[in-house]
Amino acid sequence: ETGVTQSPTHLIKTRGQQVTLRCSSQSGHNTVSWYQQALGQGPQFIFQYYREEENGRGNFPPRFSGLQFPNYSSELNVNALELDDSALYLCASSFPTSGSQNEQFFGPGTRLTVL
Amino acid sequence: AQTVTQSQPEMSVQEAETVTLSCTYDTSESNYYLFWYKQPPSRQMILVIRQEAYKQQNATENRFSVNFQKAAKSFSLKISDSQLGDTAMYFCAFILPLGGTSYGKLTFGQGTILTVHP
Repeated sequence: ETGVTQSPTHLIKTRGQQVTLRCSSQSGHNTVSWYQQALGQGPQFIFQYYREEENGRGNFPPRFSGLQFPNYSSELNVNALELDDSALYLCASSFPTSGSQNEQFFGPGTRLTVL
Repeated sequence: AQTVTQSQPEMSVQEAETVTLSCTYDTSESNYYLFWYKQPPSRQMILVIRQEAYKQQNATENRFSVNFQKAAKSFSLKISDSQLGDTAMYFCAFILPLGGTSYGKLTFGQGTILTVHP
């Protein structure tokens, strides 16, 4: 069973640029959630994709967008990068069923630095 | 909205001793799940233990156990026989069951850095 993978591991961008982060979900999982983790803080929910549609969103501006593909892998896109976007971006996959806890399995994250 | 608070930014313990990490949360819901995650320097978020709110019995996983006090909205993690490999950031997290308006997002606390000394 393949776990959740993310690419790239590290990324350095400059303010105003755009970035795309990628996530491959664990085998059998159809849902991907993205979280932003600032240094020394807990992860903050960005959004979730279920069967290729956005299924819920946290308090992040529209310049944070995403996609989910038919194979359930996902991309997180951030436009007009700001210095505060520097963080670890975590992807988590799951196979939710109604009434369940939606146990999420995390990838190793992508460390984004905005200069 | 749900909130999770971890009031201990850092904790340290000697190898083989016991340590307890604190977590409080706030919710108006009666049914939910609570988790403790471990994040070592490798950054991989690893599930340590889970607790279902409707179960009164405290969860236990080997050296890890919780003290779940639903009325007080408290969920502490006890690590017995601490090992060097337990050194990590620990996060308390909350989630509502799927269904209705809940789509299953995790709400995390700020984390507690645990250092185990030899």
